[in-house]
Amino acid sequence: DQQVKQNSPSLSVQEGRISILNCDYTNSMFDYFLWYKKYPAEGPTFLISISSIKDKNEDGRFTVFLNKSAKHLSLHIVPSQPGDSAVYFCAASVRAGGSYIPTFGRGTSLIVHP
Amino acid sequence: SQTIHQWPATLVQPVGSPLSLECTVEGTSNPNLYWYRQAAGRGLQLLFYSVGIGQISSEVPQNLSASRPQDRQFILSSKKLLLSDSGFYLCAWSVLAGPGQFFGPGTRLTVL
Repeated sequence: DQQVKQNSPSLSVQEGRISILNCDYTNSMFDYFLWYKKYPAEGPTFLISISSIKDKNEDGRFTVFLNKSAKHLSLHIVPSQPGDSAVYFCAASVRAGGSYIPTFGRGTSLIVHP
Repeated sequence: SQTIHQWPATLVQPVGSPLSLECTVEGTSNPNLYWYRQAAGRGLQLLFYSVGIGQISSEVPQNLSASRPQDRQFILSSKKLLLSDSGFYLCAWSVLAGPGQFFGPGTRLTVL
C-alpha cells in the first residue's frame, strides 16, 4: 500500500514554461514534505521542503504547495530549464524517536525540451 | 563542509555470496544514517536507519542487515545474496533536528 503516490511517471515540458509535479499521500500523520531531484546513477539531492503547518514554500524557481485537506502537494518549477530534466521524488516524513522517517514516491521523470 | 562516501560504486556478485557495502560521512557529528534501495522502475525503499552507534532500526524484513560500528560509518551486509537484492543502494545522512537527507553517490549491485 503506497502511502505516497506520484501518479505521473513522466512529464514533458517546453523550456521557459511551468513544470508542475504532483504528489498525493494518505497518512495524515506526515509532518514534513520534501522534494528531491535525481540524475541517473547519482544519489538524490534535496530541493525544497514544507512543514505541514504551511501551505506554500518558495525558493527561487521552485515552489512547493501543500493542500492538507486534499492530502496533495505539488512542485512548480518556473521557468523550466533543460538542466531541470531529471527524476523528481516526493517524500513525506513522520518524526519517530530521534529521526524523521521518510516515505518516498516512485518518482516522476521530467524532460524539459529546449 | 559535509561529504558522504559510498563504495564500491558498482558490484557484480553471484547468488549466495556475501555482501558488504560501506558508507562514511565527513564533516558532521552524530548524524542520523539511512540505507535505501532503488529497484528498477521503483521508488526509494528505506531499509535501515540509525540514530547512534550500535542503534539500528529495520524497516523491511529481508536477508540484509546493517551495522554502525562508528559514529560516521554505516555498513550494509548480507550473508547470502538473492537475485532480488539487485538494485541501486543509497546511503544518506541527516542532522538530528532536520527532515532533509543528504545522499551518497550510490552503489549499483547486480546479483547474477
